[in-house]
Parts: sequence; structure tokens; C-alpha cells
Amino acid sequence: AQSVAQPEDQVNVAEGNPLTVKCTYSVSGNPYLFWYVQYPNRGLQFLLKYITGDNLVKGSYGFEAEFNKSQTSFHLKKPSALVSDSALYFCAVRLYNFNKFYFGSGTKLNVKP
Amino acid sequence: EAGVAQSPRYKIIEKRQSVAFWCNPISGHATLYWYQQILGQGPKLLIQFQNNGVVDDSQLPKDRFSAERLKGVDSTLKIQPAKLEDSAVYLCASSPRLAGVSYEQYFGPGTRLTVT
Repeated sequence: AQSVAQPEDQVNVAEGNPLTVKCTYSVSGNPYLFWYVQYPNRGLQFLLKYITGDNLVKGSYGFEAEFNKSQTSFHLKKPSALVSDSALYFCAVRLYNFNKFYFGSGTKLNVKP
Repeated sequence: EAGVAQSPRYKIIEKRQSVAFWCNPISGHATLYWYQQILGQGPKLLIQFQNNGVVDDSQLPKDRFSAERLKGVDSTLKIQPAKLEDSAVYLCASSPRLAGVSYEQYFGPGTRLTVT
């Protein structure tokens, strides 16, 4: 069975510090990996994706993520956090030739001034 | 381009009543998804359409939930009768096509359902 794990329900960082939101996955084939962000009372908004190629992918709002095949991880990172980054972050995986997405349970990011 | 539209944004009903949600995807997007997001959890796929055909409805509680996309454009999700555990946000998403490897999904704002 395919699954996505976000081991931290909440991450707290101070503004200006680097942030990491963790994601690991378990799939039976080659994964395509995505990060989405959700602000209160809003739908999910696409941040970035890994399909193939360079393991470090860059996305919107200064976010980046590193694909690590050996550790089956796809952690979201940002060098310098902003208060406005505070939101709920979801990792998702889909398989080649299957258009079904599997979402993690979400990580709440709190950035304090 | 216009995003995914959903209505209503909020709905409060009593258990055993019925409710319907509407979704209009991004123009030209062939694939449409309905998700249920319970508080504190990630979205769970309920049903997936490719044009007006159902691709996956394995997690749709078919005894009470139904969905249609008659003309391959907008879609309606219905719950009848509602239970307390149906309280959740119902998200609609669309993507350009089914077989597109790299396509992400575009989400609407969701409908927050409260069943009392």
C-alpha cells in the first residue's frame, strides 16, 4: 500500500531561521512527490514537485525540497522563515501512470516574530 | 485563469438531512477530484472523474454519497442522509488530464460541512 508520513504535527521556528518540514513515503514504484500549503479557510495551494532529475527542487515563495531515494524522504526547506509562512503543509505522492494522490496528515508550521 | 470554484463555502445541516456541493473546475481540465478533509487529517480521495466517467470511487461511501459530472465539466457531490462523522471540508480539485505525469492538482477553496 502507498503511504505518506509527516512525523511532526507541528513545527515551530523563529522568523529568519531556516525551517524544515519532514516527509517520508512508501510506494511500490517510482514516486512523484508534491508539497502543498493550506492557509485557514482556503484550499490547498501547490508549492513544488519532484518528477525526475535534480534531487533539489525549487518552488514558490522561496521553498525548496530535497528528494532522497535511499531514505525515501522529501523534506521541505526554506533558508529563512517568514511569519507569513505560518500555515498547514501537506506532502503528497502519486505513482507513474496512476493519477491518484496520497496525502500525508499535514504539519502545522508556526513562525514566530 | 480562473481557479476551481466551489459552492457553498459553508453548510450546516442536521443528521439524516441531505446536502449537495457544487464544483466548477478550471476550464479545459479533464480530471476532477472530490476529497474529504476531516479536521487534523490530510485530504482523502472520494471520487475521481476523467471527463464524465468515473476513474476511482473505491473510497466513496456509496450507501450515502453520490457524485456526477454529466457533461464532463462541473460536478455535484451529494450526501443523503448525512451522519455526524460526515462533518469535514469537502475539496474539489482538477488537473489537465489523467495520464499527464507531471501535472499537479489545483484545488478549490472547499466547502465546510457541519452536521449537528
